[in-house]
Amino acid sequence: EAGVVQSPRYKIIEKKQPVAFWCNPISGHNTLYWYLQNLGQGPELLIRYENEEAVDDSQLPKDRFSAERLKGVDSTLKIQPAELGDSAVYLCASSPHPGVTGELFFGEGSRLTVL
Amino acid sequence: KQEVTQIPAALSVPEGENLVLNCSFTDSAIYNLQWFRQDPGKGLTSLLLIQSSQREQTSGRLNASLDKSSGRSTLYIAASQPGDSATYLCAVRDGQNFVFGPGTRLSVLP
Repeated sequence: EAGVVQSPRYKIIEKKQPVAFWCNPISGHNTLYWYLQNLGQGPELLIRYENEEAVDDSQLPKDRFSAERLKGVDSTLKIQPAELGDSAVYLCASSPHPGVTGELFFGEGSRLTVL
Repeated sequence: KQEVTQIPAALSVPEGENLVLNCSFTDSAIYNLQWFRQDPGKGLTSLLLIQSSQREQTSGRLNASLDKSSGRSTLYIAASQPGDSATYLCAVRDGQNFVFGPGTRLSVLP
């Protein structure tokens, strides 16, 4: 069974440029999460999807960040324009159940460096 | 607001030692707790998931316990090996979302 797939693994851009990250969750997983992880810290939630609906985007900086999950499968996270402080690892995770007992599975992450 | 802490922040042990990593959370109304391993430059790999009704889970040399009333979980690693070197994170689920601790960076010296 394939795990959570993310791309690109690494991205280096100049500030003010746009960037997009893609995530394909484990097949059949209805819940998809995007997390931000800074060095030495645990992941912090950006947005959670149940199928194609963004049910929790309270931590997503909506002035520059956007996300979509068309058809309730893969998802894209976009930053436009990027700022120096956006340098971090962006992690995608999925969970098989819409309830509260499901296990969380992560992808390898996309490391962003903004120069 | 749920807060998760992990002690110690870093740990260095010689190969073969048994060790305990600690995870504390402030709100005991959780649904489950999950332990992860993260290697440098990689994503998080799930190690053990403990539901709120369970007291412990075991997988190979790993044993995780959960005491909801005291807001604590421990991850016990038996007979540590250099390959166990990584950062270990715990996460609690207190609704539809997970709250993560900052992790414990473990180094097992050969």
